[in-house]
Amino acid sequence: KQEVTQIPAALSVPEGENLVLNCSFTDSAIYNLQWFRQDPGKGLTSLLLIQSSQREQTSGRLNASLDKSSGRSTLYIAASQPGDSATYLCAVKSSGGSNYKLTFGKGTLLTVNP
Amino acid sequence: GAGVSQSPRYKVAKRGQDVALRCDPISGHVSLFWYQQALGQGPEFLTYFQNEAQLDKSGLPSDRFFAERPEGSVSTLKIQRTQQEDSAVYLCASSIQGARNQPQHFGDGTRLSIL
Repeated sequence: KQEVTQIPAALSVPEGENLVLNCSFTDSAIYNLQWFRQDPGKGLTSLLLIQSSQREQTSGRLNASLDKSSGRSTLYIAASQPGDSATYLCAVKSSGGSNYKLTFGKGTLLTVNP
Repeated sequence: GAGVSQSPRYKVAKRGQDVALRCDPISGHVSLFWYQQALGQGPEFLTYFQNEAQLDKSGLPSDRFFAERPEGSVSTLKIQRTQQEDSAVYLCASSIQGARNQPQHFGDGTRLSIL
């Protein structure tokens, strides 16, 4: 059974700092990995999706990497801003029979202080 | 709006009551998913539809939970005889196709509180 772990559970940084969020998964047989952002009381906003054949994806100040063989992904946020404060969730889509469902980690609660 | 729409946004019910949660997916999206998110946890898969067919309901916690999508568009998640442990945010997602490389687009969820 696929399990996804995110470290740290919470992170507080001053504005302008670069930061890294970590995600690990137990079964490397995945189709893709997706990073989401969740604001309080809101649904999930997709940030980046990395296919299993890719090593990284970039969007603006965000960069996500994937090392499938070791079961790890990182989300790098450059020059953090208070508006980046949210919970960041990592989710994997496993290959095999149930290749439609996402398995999520518990998330990292990020606070960027002005 | 072109996103996934869920209603109601908030629902409070007494233990033992039945509730129904609605999801309007993005127009043209074939696949629809329900997830349950407990406080402080990541979402957990409940069930999956492709058009009107429910292809996977393995994540439904008990037989009190029932989901349908009769015309392959709007979906309803029904919970009968609600219990306090049913309190959670219920998220709906849709995608153009269900499998593999298509991203899932999420609604804002319904926050269910059972008193």
